[in-house]
Order: sequence, then structure tokens, then C-alpha cells
Amino acid sequence: AQSVAQPEDQVNVAEGNPLTVKCTYSVSGNPYLFWYVQYPNRGLQFLLKYITGDNLVKGSYGFEAEFNKSQTSFHLKKPSALVSDSALYFCAVRDDTGRRALTFGSGTRLQVQP
Amino acid sequence: NAGVTQTPKFRVLKTGQSMTLLCAQDMNHEYMYWYRQDPGMGLRLIHYSVGEGTTAKGEVPDGYNVSRLKKQNFLLGLESAAPSQTSVYFCASSYGQGKAKNIQYFGAGTRLSVL
Repeated sequence: AQSVAQPEDQVNVAEGNPLTVKCTYSVSGNPYLFWYVQYPNRGLQFLLKYITGDNLVKGSYGFEAEFNKSQTSFHLKKPSALVSDSALYFCAVRDDTGRRALTFGSGTRLQVQP
Repeated sequence: NAGVTQTPKFRVLKTGQSMTLLCAQDMNHEYMYWYRQDPGMGLRLIHYSVGEGTTAKGEVPDGYNVSRLKKQNFLLGLESAAPSQTSVYFCASSYGQGKAKNIQYFGAGTRLSVL
């Protein structure tokens, strides 16, 4: 069975500083990895994905993620945080079966202080 | 751009009552999903559908039923609500093929309380 771990419940960062939100995964085959963001009282919004190719994936709103196969990690990064980036971030892995459902981590709350 | 629309947005039920949550998408997506979100647990898959007229169980299907009579709609039913079903429910949909097939689009959620 596949799984995703987000070891930090909350990450605090000052506006303008770089941010990292950590994610590690476990899958039996090739990983299909995703980051989603959830703003208060809203559904999840797709940020970026890794299927194959370059280990550094660029996504929406200036976010990027680095895929590291040897460490089974897919950390989300942004060079300069904005207060508006404050939200709940979920890492997910897509299963390899025909249903293509996502298995989510428990989420990391990002708080960017002005 | 409606995308994925869930109704209702909020609902309070008493134990034993029944209700249906409606999910509608206007993107002609083949795949549709129902997840529940509980604090500290991320989202868990309840049921899913890979096309009109087909449904299947996810990880936490007990106490729920679903139907997909039309491609654009995916209904989630609770026949006899229990307090353990207090949660936020999200519907999602995606294409069945093509470059965008891996991206799921989510509705805004339904917040359900069972007393």
C-alpha cells in the first residue's frame, strides 16, 4: 500500500524568506506525486505534479518541488514567501491502479508572518 | 467557470437520518471521487467512479452509497447517519485520458455534522 508522510503540522516563515514544506512517500512502483493547497473554507487546488522527467518541478504561484528518488521525498519550496501563501498544504501520491485515486498526507499548515 | 459544484454547503443531521450530497461537474470528466476530510488525517477516499453507470469502493466506504446515473453527477448517500460521519466531504473529478488525466479538480466541500 502507498503512503505519504508530512512530518510537520505547521511551518512558520517570515515574509520574503524561503519556505520548504516536507513530504516523503512510499509506493511500490513509479511515483506520481502532487501538491495541493487548501485555503480556508475552500476545496483543494492543484499546485504541481511530478510524473517523470526533471527532478525540479515548477508549479503555480511561484512554487516548485524537488523530487528525490533515493530519499523518497518530494519537498515543496518557494524562494520568497508571501503572506497570501498562508494555507494548508497537502502532498499526495496517485495510486498505480485504474482508479487513479490520491492518497494524501495529513497536511501542513503554512503560516507566513508579515 | 463552474468546475465542480457541491450541494449543500452545510448540513446538520440527527443520528439515523438520511441525506444525499450532490456533486456536479461541467468539464466532461470521466472520473469522479468522494473523499472525506477529518482533522489531522488528510483526505480519505470513500467511493469513486470511472465512468457513467459505474461505481466502486474506496478506503472508507462503510455507511455510504453512491450513484452515477449521469456523467456529470456523482451522488453520495448516507442511509442512516452516525456521529462518526461528521466530517467535511469533498468531491473531485478528472479526465480519463490525456495529459491532464492526473489532475483532480475539487469542489468547495460540504460540512456535515451528525448529532
